[in-house]
Amino acid sequence: EIVLTQSPDFQSVTPKEKVTITCRASQSIGSSLHWYQQKPDQSPKLLIKYASQSFSGVPSRFSGSGSGTDFTLTINSLEAEDAATYYCHQSSSLPPTFGQGTRLEIK
Amino acid sequence: QVQLVESGGGLVKPGGSLRLSCAASGFTFSDYYMSWIRQAPGKGLEWVSYISSSGSTIYYADSVKGRFTISRDNAKNSLYLQMNSLRAEDTAVYYCARVSGGTDVWGQGTTVTVSS
Repeated sequence: EIVLTQSPDFQSVTPKEKVTITCRASQSIGSSLHWYQQKPDQSPKLLIKYASQSFSGVPSRFSGSGSGTDFTLTINSLEAEDAATYYCHQSSSLPPTFGQGTRLEIK
Repeated sequence: QVQLVESGGGLVKPGGSLRLSCAASGFTFSDYYMSWIRQAPGKGLEWVSYISSSGSTIYYADSVKGRFTISRDNAKNSLYLQMNSLRAEDTAVYYCARVSGGTDVWGQGTTVTVSS
C-alpha cells in the first residue's frame, strides 16, 4: 500500500499569505496525485487532478505541482473562505490512499 | 446538474447489516467507475471499495473485504453497498463518489453508527 504523508498537519495563516502544503508518497506514483478541500460538515471537493490540472470552477489561486514522490499544493493570496482541511490522494495503485490531511486555520 | 445522493445510513448493533444506496443524476452513470469512501468521526478519508462501469471489476479495502459488497444497477443509475457483520470501527460518514481523474463528484454522505 502506498502511504501518503502530508506536511504540515496544521497551519495557522493570515489572509493574503501564500500557503504551501506538501504530500510525499512512499513510492513513485507518477502524476496520479489529486488534491481535495473539505470544509466542516461538507463533503470533499476536488481541487487539482493529476498533480497539476486545475478542476473546473476552482479559483486560480489554487495550483499543484510535482511528480514521482513529491507533490505540492499552493494557495496564493489566501482568502478567509479557504479555511478547511486539505487531502492528497493517489490513484496510481490499489488500494487508493489518502494523506492524513492538513488543517488550515485563518487568523 | 451532476449529483450523487446517498441514503440508507442509520444506527445498527454490532454484527448487524445495512444497505447503502446512491442515486446518480446529471451524467451517464454507466460510463463511470464508482467508489465508496468513508470518514470516521474526526478522522481522515478512507477508501472502501470501487466498481468498474460495467460492474465486472471490483476491489475492496482489506478492512471490509468479506463483509461488504459493492454493486450497481446501471438501468437505475444506482450504486449500492451491502454491509454485513458491522463493527464499531465501521462507524463513519459514507460517501458515494464518481471516479474520473481522482474522485470528481462526491455525494453529501450518509452516516452509519455501529453501537449497542
